[in-house]
Amino acid sequence: GENVEQHPSTLSVQEGDSAVIKCTYSDSASNYFPWYKQELGKRPQLIIDIRSNVGEKKDQRIAVTLNKTAKHFSLHITETQPEDSAVYFCAASVIWGNAGNMLTFGGGTRLMVKP
Amino acid sequence: DAGVIQSPRHEVTEMGQEVTLRCKPISGHDYLFWYRQTMMRGLELLIYFNNNVPIDDSGMPEDRFSAKMPNASFSTLKIQPSEPRDSAVYFCASSAPRLGYEQYFGPGTRLTVT
Repeated sequence: GENVEQHPSTLSVQEGDSAVIKCTYSDSASNYFPWYKQELGKRPQLIIDIRSNVGEKKDQRIAVTLNKTAKHFSLHITETQPEDSAVYFCAASVIWGNAGNMLTFGGGTRLMVKP
Repeated sequence: DAGVIQSPRHEVTEMGQEVTLRCKPISGHDYLFWYRQTMMRGLELLIYFNNNVPIDDSGMPEDRFSAKMPNASFSTLKIQPSEPRDSAVYFCASSAPRLGYEQYFGPGTRLTVT
């Protein structure tokens, strides 16, 4: 089955700096890579996702890059703000057609943005 | 839409007791997922359903765990008998792949078994 490794487990940055979280996956068939943000005591919520047919996707201050050959993908947050403080999870899965997808999650990264 | 609804939000029970967690997916979603979250093991998929039919239950830890989805708007996760190591936050999520692959999570049920 799929195995997703996520690093670092904790990350502390100064407000305004950039943050990068990296994940590797094991199943070369995986073609869908979402990132979820979980604030303390709240539910995970999707912030961005990428499919294997593109190498990069951006949404305002957030970007995700994918290297299929190396089987790794990364989340980049620029101009970090205190409200970015949360736990971030990467995930990988295989999607096809209208079938549902089983997500395998990484272990999570606790991001702390210091004002 | 109110989103995915879970009940109860908190459950405290004694070891050996039966626990039933409930989930109402978003209307129109045809996939439902049950996850467990702990500090040690992170977010784990326990089981998922498509159109009320269980598709993959390989993540269910033991026979003490069972899940059902009697109709499109209701699912239960039951633990019988409960043990202290079952203490975790249990999330239900739903999705509609024909609309997109995002899984929408409920608020979770925090289970404490003493």
